Amino acid sequence: AQTVTQSQPEMSVQEAETVTLSCTYDTSESDYYLFWYKQPPSRQMILVIRQEAYKQQNATENRFSVNFQKAAKSFSLKISDSQLGDAAMYFCAYRREQGGSEKLVFGKGTKLTVNP
Amino acid sequence: DTGVSQNPRHKITKRGQNVTFRCDPISEHNRLYWYRQTLGQGPEFLTYFQNEAQLEKSRLLSDRFSAERPKGSFSTLEIQRTEQGDSAMYLCASSLSGYEQYFGPGTRLTVT
Repeated sequence: AQTVTQSQPEMSVQEAETVTLSCTYDTSESDYYLFWYKQPPSRQMILVIRQEAYKQQNATENRFSVNFQKAAKSFSLKISDSQLGDAAMYFCAYRREQGGSEKLVFGKGTKLTVNP
Repeated sequence: DTGVSQNPRHKITKRGQNVTFRCDPISEHNRLYWYRQTLGQGPEFLTYFQNEAQLEKSRLLSDRFSAERPKGSFSTLEIQRTEQGDSAMYLCASSLSGYEQYFGPGTRLTVT
């Protein structure tokens, strides 16, 4: 069964500094997709970044980048130049496709606090 | 650009009552998903539609839960005989490609 583990329930970072959120996953598939979603307080889930497993290059979106280690089944998110608006719950997710169906499997999330 | 919308945003109901939630996906998105999120947890998959066909229903969905997507447009999620354990945020997401899901704001259900 595919599982996603986020081992850091909470993290904090100073404004303008860099922070890395960890995620590991378990799968027997060779081709898959991974995602990081952001959920600000009382607001909806927003897609931050995605990574295709067949791509060796790590995905980057502005201040957000990932460190994808396929062999280690690790998928961490790095936020550079942290801003107050980055404060949110961050969820790592794995896209599971099976038998004509598809879904996201989420970790439990990491609450990120940005200190001014 | 109209995103995924969900109604109502909040619902308070008494145990034993029936409730229905609605989700309107992004226009032309043929894939629609329902998730449930409880406090301190990540979303958990409930069900998946491709067009009007319900292709998967999670074991989390007991017989009291039913979802529909008539004509492959909006979707409804109904909970019959609500229980306190049904209290949660119910999230809807839609997708065109299946590789990126766009979420709505959710419906927060409180069962008293």
